[in-house]
Amino acid sequence: DVKVTQSSRYLVKRTGEKVFLECVQDMDHENMFWYRQDPGLGLRLIYFSYDVKMKEKGDIPEGYSVSREKKERFSLILESASTNQTSMYLCATNRDRGDWAGELFFGEGSRLTVL
Amino acid sequence: RKEVEQDPGPFNVPEGATVAFNCTYSNSASQSFFWYRQDCRKEPKLLMSVYSSGNEDGRFTAQLNRASQYISLLIRDSKLSDSATYLCVVSAGSYQLTFGKGTKLSVIP
Repeated sequence: DVKVTQSSRYLVKRTGEKVFLECVQDMDHENMFWYRQDPGLGLRLIYFSYDVKMKEKGDIPEGYSVSREKKERFSLILESASTNQTSMYLCATNRDRGDWAGELFFGEGSRLTVL
Repeated sequence: RKEVEQDPGPFNVPEGATVAFNCTYSNSASQSFFWYRQDCRKEPKLLMSVYSSGNEDGRFTAQLNRASQYISLLIRDSKLSDSATYLCVVSAGSYQLTFGKGTKLSVIP
């Protein structure tokens, strides 16, 4: 079974703090994604990566950065957290199949509250 | 902007009922289609992929109409355990996935 592990289930941070959210997968998948999920807005893509050191902006990259130094690990960074970044953050992975999307496997999520 | 639109819901149905969810998508280049299920405070998980010929998995039937850019999910003989949010997902490539906002289903005893 694919396992996608997110480092923290619940975090409480203060405005202006730097926040690291880490995601590790054990299935050698090429693609990794960071989403945020908010009531009424659904899942929105922040960033994704299709290879080590490669990253692409999603729909809402502002205020976020990412790092992928190893294939199995994809980190989301909030350089200076703001209250509007309070959300559920979900990491996901899938195998690169070219034109066809493979099944997405999600981590359990990290619920971030910024005070 | 590539959109995926779902029935607004919520759907409240009695046990044993048949319920159908609809989803429309705007990107005609879409190649892969899925239904994901998300339980309250849990991560989404794949329920089923949707193929052009339609496919069935037990009580669940998914249909795709490429001409109308429309996907459906039918659940027969609803169980309490079917209560969840159902997400329509459309993809134009391995990492071009667009999620609908989801439809919440509550199955009532």
